[in-house]
Amino acid sequence: GIQVEQSPPDLILQEGANSTLRCNFSDSVNNLQWFHQNPWGQLINLFYIPSGTKQNGRLSATTVATERYSLLYISSSQTTDSGVYFCAVESGGGADGLTFGKGTHLIIQP
Amino acid sequence: DVKVTQSSRYLVKRTGEKVFLECVQDMDHENMFWYRQDPGLGLRLIYFSYDVKMKEKGDIPEGYSVSREKKERFSLILESASTNQTSMYLCASSPLLLAGDSFYEQYFGPGTRLTVT
Repeated sequence: GIQVEQSPPDLILQEGANSTLRCNFSDSVNNLQWFHQNPWGQLINLFYIPSGTKQNGRLSATTVATERYSLLYISSSQTTDSGVYFCAVESGGGADGLTFGKGTHLIIQP
Repeated sequence: DVKVTQSSRYLVKRTGEKVFLECVQDMDHENMFWYRQDPGLGLRLIYFSYDVKMKEKGDIPEGYSVSREKKERFSLILESASTNQTSMYLCASSPLLLAGDSFYEQYFGPGTRLTVT
């Protein structure tokens, strides 16, 4: 099956810093999503981005499908950005389930 | 807004008990999914369903079964709970692919943290 690798596994930054999280995948995909998992375990949808670039406030994401990677950018980090960020992909017909990376654990220090 | 709800946030069961985890979505989505999340292993797909009464095995179906009698509800069943099924269980739903579109986006419930003692 498709492989998903996220880097870095852990990232510690000061408040106000910018960060880039990377997701590499091993095959072409029909779906790529970025999630933020909050301390209570809820997965919050950040982006649905199988290709192209999207922006939402301080967050933006770019997927280069031909090169099989996606980047999540967080600018002017806040302590509330802390948590685990997951990239997940699907290469089937939309009903096959997502394959998740292991996540990037982000800690933003005040 | 899409809303996916799960019957319990925390659940404690004994080994050998039959356990039902319920998931309900309110967006008329065709597809529904059950995942479990474990430290070091990430999120893994247990079962999914693309229609009422239809089910497909995911990556780790052993020890689980599912039921989908109504479109909005997808139940995960542990026939005889074991300690290795202690985990965080997450339900998700997504709409059917439409021709010319790629709206596969999945929406997740808050999760059920199950402990089997």
